[in-house]
Amino acid sequence: GNSVTQMEGPVTLSEEAFLTINCTYTATGYPSLFWYVQYPGEGLQLLLKATKADDKGSNKGFEATYRKETTSFHLEKGSVQVSDSAVYFCALQGGSEKLVFGKGTKLTVNP
Amino acid sequence: ETGVTQTPRHLVMGMTNKKSLKCEQHLGHNAMYWYKQSAKKPLELMFVYSLEERVENNSVPSRFSPECPNSSHLFLHLHTLQPEDSALYLCASSPRRGSQETQYFGPGTRLLVL
Repeated sequence: GNSVTQMEGPVTLSEEAFLTINCTYTATGYPSLFWYVQYPGEGLQLLLKATKADDKGSNKGFEATYRKETTSFHLEKGSVQVSDSAVYFCALQGGSEKLVFGKGTKLTVNP
Repeated sequence: ETGVTQTPRHLVMGMTNKKSLKCEQHLGHNAMYWYKQSAKKPLELMFVYSLEERVENNSVPSRFSPECPNSSHLFLHLHTLQPEDSALYLCASSPRRGSQETQYFGPGTRLLVL
C-alpha cells in the first residue's frame, strides 16, 4: 500500500539557516503530494502541494519538487525564521481521497 | 484561517461519560473527514462523509459514532472511551471526494480520557 517516510526529528536550526526535510514515498500510480505544517497547539495547515511529476510547490519561502524518479518530495527553505518552528508533515493522496501521512518532523528555530 | 472550526478545543472525560465533538466548515465543501492524531503515530483517517453520507469507516471502534446532519456540520459522538483514545481529533473538509481534492483542516480537539 501507499506509505510516506520522512526524516526523523527533531531538527534544530539557527535563524537564517538552510532547511531540508527529506520525504520519500511509496505509491502506485501518480499520487498528489503535500506538505502540511502544525504550529504549537493548532491543527494542520496546508503549506504546499504538487500534483504531478516535476511540479514545484511553493509557499512562504518553502519549496518542494515532485521527483518521480527518486520518489521524493523534500521540503526546503533558504533562510528559516523563529516563526517557522512547528511540526511538518509530508503526505500523499493516491487513488482515493485518503491522505497518507508521514510521522512528522519537529523543527525548532533558535534566534 | 477560520474555514474549518472545531469545538471544544480541549476536553477531559471519564471512561463512563458521553460527549460530542463538533466540526463546522464555512467553505461550501461537500466532503468532511475525521482524523485521529496520537503521540508518535501518523495521522489516521477515521471516517469520510460525502454529501452527508458516510462513505468510509476505517475499522473504528463503535465507541466512536459520527454524525453528519448536513454538509457543513460533522459530529463525533464519544461514549465509554478508553485512556488510549486520548489524542488530538482533527476534522477536515474538501470540495468533494476524490484524489485531486485538497483537504483543509480545523484546529483540532485535544481529548484526554481519564
